[in-house]
Amino acid sequence: DSGVTQTPKHLITATGQRVTLRCSPRSGDLSVYWYQQSLDQGLQFLIQYYNGEERAKGNILERFSAQQFPDLHSELNLSSLELGDSALYFCASSPYGGEGGYTFGSGTRLTVV
Amino acid sequence: AQKVTQAQTEISVVEKEDVTLDCVYETRDTTYYLFWYKQPPSGELVFLIRRNSFDEQNEISGRYSWNFQKSTSSFNFTITASQVVDSAVYFCALSEVSTSGTYKYIFGTGTRLKVLA
Repeated sequence: DSGVTQTPKHLITATGQRVTLRCSPRSGDLSVYWYQQSLDQGLQFLIQYYNGEERAKGNILERFSAQQFPDLHSELNLSSLELGDSALYFCASSPYGGEGGYTFGSGTRLTVV
Repeated sequence: AQKVTQAQTEISVVEKEDVTLDCVYETRDTTYYLFWYKQPPSGELVFLIRRNSFDEQNEISGRYSWNFQKSTSSFNFTITASQVVDSAVYFCALSEVSTSGTYKYIFGTGTRLKVLA
């Protein structure tokens, strides 16, 4: 157990729907990162939050949004889902800015049908 | 822009063989960090090693060893006496400093290692 908790582990939903993925960082970690792993794009950085504030943005679609709450857990919201959004979504956390590397959660596998 | 190249898409070896996974990176930063992660069939990403740009010493951890060479921008990973449990996808990653001063990581496309009994 890495200490980073992601729920749910699996999610199957239809095109056009909206889902929320949840991440609880490792105890004491202030930064949360979201990554998308798809077959054709590999591991892509989506967004980072530090102590409730957005700090870095990657290849995140406008249909996707995220936030980090005062208790430091984070949610990734995916809306108007398309077949191509099917992927493994990872959350990771680090104590501060990430220079020491991340601890990854076990991922949420999203299947859009 | 930062880039990580893992040219080997898939490697198959027989158990007990040694295998080297290549990683070549591009960066304009003078301070950066390199990582290797393992993704077994169960899907989670397991941290293996972190190396900063100022430390070119090679590292050995059991059957694993890493060769970092700044002159060739490479950070290769060798598994000695491979075992079936080593079968996984291995990712090399490079740090990129964001405008806010925090770090995000650029991953290579991964090398799938199959160790056959």
